[in-house]
Amino acid sequence: NAGVTQTPKFQVLKTGQSMTLQCAQDMNHEYMSWYRQDPGMGLRLIHYSVGAGITDQGEVPNGYNVSRSTTEDFPLRLLSAAPSQTSVYFCASSPSDDPYKGGAFFGQGTRLTVV
Amino acid sequence: DQQVKQNSPSLSVQEGRISILNCDYTNSMFDYFLWYKKYPAEGPTFLISISSIKDKNEDGRFTVFLNKSAKHLSLHIVPSQPGDSAVYFCAASAGGYQKVTFGTGTKLQVIP
Repeated sequence: NAGVTQTPKFQVLKTGQSMTLQCAQDMNHEYMSWYRQDPGMGLRLIHYSVGAGITDQGEVPNGYNVSRSTTEDFPLRLLSAAPSQTSVYFCASSPSDDPYKGGAFFGQGTRLTVV
Repeated sequence: DQQVKQNSPSLSVQEGRISILNCDYTNSMFDYFLWYKKYPAEGPTFLISISSIKDKNEDGRFTVFLNKSAKHLSLHIVPSQPGDSAVYFCAASAGGYQKVTFGTGTKLQVIP
C-alpha cells in the first residue's frame, strides 16, 4: 500500500518563485490536510479539505493555496516563496474528520528551502 | 500561545526500562488526545489515543494516562526497546482534525 505520497522530497526555491507540492493518497480518505513543521514548534495546520471541492484555512494559511478536484489529490501551492516558508511540509489524510475514529496518516514530508 | 506543551525536548532511557513522556495542555475544550511517533525523514505515525471520558488507555507496551484536573497526559512505554527511539508528538483536539494542536515533540533515545 502506498498510503500518502508526497513529491518532491526536497526542493530549493529562490525568493519569489512559485511551486506546487504534490500529495496523493490511495486510501479513499475524505479528509486531507497540510501541515508545516518548524524547529521548536509543533506541526501547524496550513489548509485542510473535508472532501473533493471543499477546502478551508487552518492556523497558518497565508502565502499558500490549495484545491481538491479529486478525492486522491490535494496539492499545496506556494504563490511567491519567501524565506519564512522554509520548513518541512507534511500532507495527511484520514477517513473522517473525527479524531475519535483514529489518527491521521502522514506522508514522508517535503523539505523546502527558500533562499 | 502554546496550548499543548512538551517541556522535555529529549529523554534517554536504558533498554528494558520504562519511558515516560509528558504533555501538558491549557485548553479545557480539548476532548481527545493523540500520540504520534516520528522517525527521521519520515512522517508522523499514529501511536495511541485517549478520550477525555477515560483516564487510561493501553495498547501493548504503550499506555496513555490522562489527568484532566491537572491538564496533563503521559505516555508510558514498557519495556523500552531501541526501535522506540524517535520523536514523540502529543496532540489534542477540540473537535475535528482542523482543531488538532500539536506539541513540540520529545526525542526519545533508548540505549541498548
